[in-house]
Amino acid sequence: EAGVTQFPSHSVIEKGQTVTLRCDPISGHDNLYWYRRVMGKEIKFLLHFVKESKQDESGMPNNRFLAERTGGTYSTLKVQPAELEDSGVYFCASSQQGSGPQYFGPGTRLLVL
Amino acid sequence: AQSVTQLGSHVSVSEGALVLLRCNYSSSVPPYLFWYVQYPNQGLQLLLKYTTGATLVKGINGFEAEFKKSETSFHLTKPSAHMSDAAEYFCAVSGLNTGNQFYFGTGTSLTVIP
Repeated sequence: EAGVTQFPSHSVIEKGQTVTLRCDPISGHDNLYWYRRVMGKEIKFLLHFVKESKQDESGMPNNRFLAERTGGTYSTLKVQPAELEDSGVYFCASSQQGSGPQYFGPGTRLLVL
Repeated sequence: AQSVTQLGSHVSVSEGALVLLRCNYSSSVPPYLFWYVQYPNQGLQLLLKYTTGATLVKGINGFEAEFKKSETSFHLTKPSAHMSDAAEYFCAVSGLNTGNQFYFGTGTSLTVIP
């Protein structure tokens, strides 16, 4: 069974540009999460989808971040326009049950110059 | 509110020595507790979890952790370190009132000295 996959693995962009990150969860997992780790700090929750609906987006930093999960399968996280402080590793995770363990992807390393 | 504290951002042990990575949490409800490991250039891999029942939980690769409610701790241990254990370890807590989001510690980087 394939795990959670994320694309791209790395992205280097300039301040003001737009970047879109993609996450493909484990097949059959209705719950999809986005997290971010800024260098040296803890991994922080961004938002939670149940199927195509946003269950909780309390962790989204500001309105420059837009997450979608059309059709309840893969998800995208768009940052527009990117700022220097957006640099970090963006993790996606999925779970079958909301209270169960979450399975993480390898992350996308974003560097904004 | 939930939070996690991992004491020691870097821990070094000799090969064959005991591994002890500390995790303390705060939670207003009975917590679910997890340890994840991240090897270089890989994603987070679940090591073990505590939800209910036995407070000593065993995970993969010989790791185990004990939930101690009175100490609000969930320390990770392994009797004998192996070179392949070198990685970053994350403790996380979630609960029924957190919307299932995980709260992570800042991580502990484990170095194993040959």
